[in-house]
Amino acid sequence: DGGITQSPKYLFRKEGQNVTLSCEQNLNHDAMYWYRQDPGQGLRLIYYSQIVNDFQKGDIAEGYSVSREKKESFPLTVTSAQKNPTAFYLCASSLGGGRGLKDNEQFFGPGTRLTVL
Amino acid sequence: DAKTTQPPSMDCAEGRAANLPCNHSTISGNEYVYWYRQIHSQGPQYIIHGLKNNETNEMASLIITEDRKSSTLILPHATLRDTAVYYCIANSGGSNYKLTFGKGTLLTVNP
Repeated sequence: DGGITQSPKYLFRKEGQNVTLSCEQNLNHDAMYWYRQDPGQGLRLIYYSQIVNDFQKGDIAEGYSVSREKKESFPLTVTSAQKNPTAFYLCASSLGGGRGLKDNEQFFGPGTRLTVL
Repeated sequence: DAKTTQPPSMDCAEGRAANLPCNHSTISGNEYVYWYRQIHSQGPQYIIHGLKNNETNEMASLIITEDRKSSTLILPHATLRDTAVYYCIANSGGSNYKLTFGKGTLLTVNP
């Protein structure tokens, strides 16, 4: 059963702590993305990766870090430098490779809701 | 990516067609129109995309005006499960991976 998974669904952390959100896909997609969503708002791009061992900053990368050591995994670390980390975090993947328009269709995971106490 | 403008909310009766408008007056010739939807507290779901011609799939139809400055997503027979936020996005595809999600339109389907 192919798809994209995120864990955990809910996460609580104390202020000043780093926390890592997991994102795994078995769709054999080259590209992966991390978005942040605040209540009543659209999605904002944090980081994206077009291929293994490569990633680029999105619109709101400050206070976040990522790695892409494996094709199927794209973990996001929310560092203590992120001033307002409480949000809904969404991971997505797409075929990528620039082979065609349909390759840009993004498949989203169920999200992780992070709350900083 | 071209900016898109959508109404913040719309209502529709169950079983009727839902017509969701989107303005993209600055869209360039190589930009496609994508539609996604997000049911509360879930990840967004791809619906449909198009360039110039009208498109239809099992979920919806997409009508794009001849000048490409606006489009309409049509859900032919809305159900309660179609209640969601619908996002209209312009993207040039290919190696341009970045999809810009605005606030979208909250469609509420009423029984």
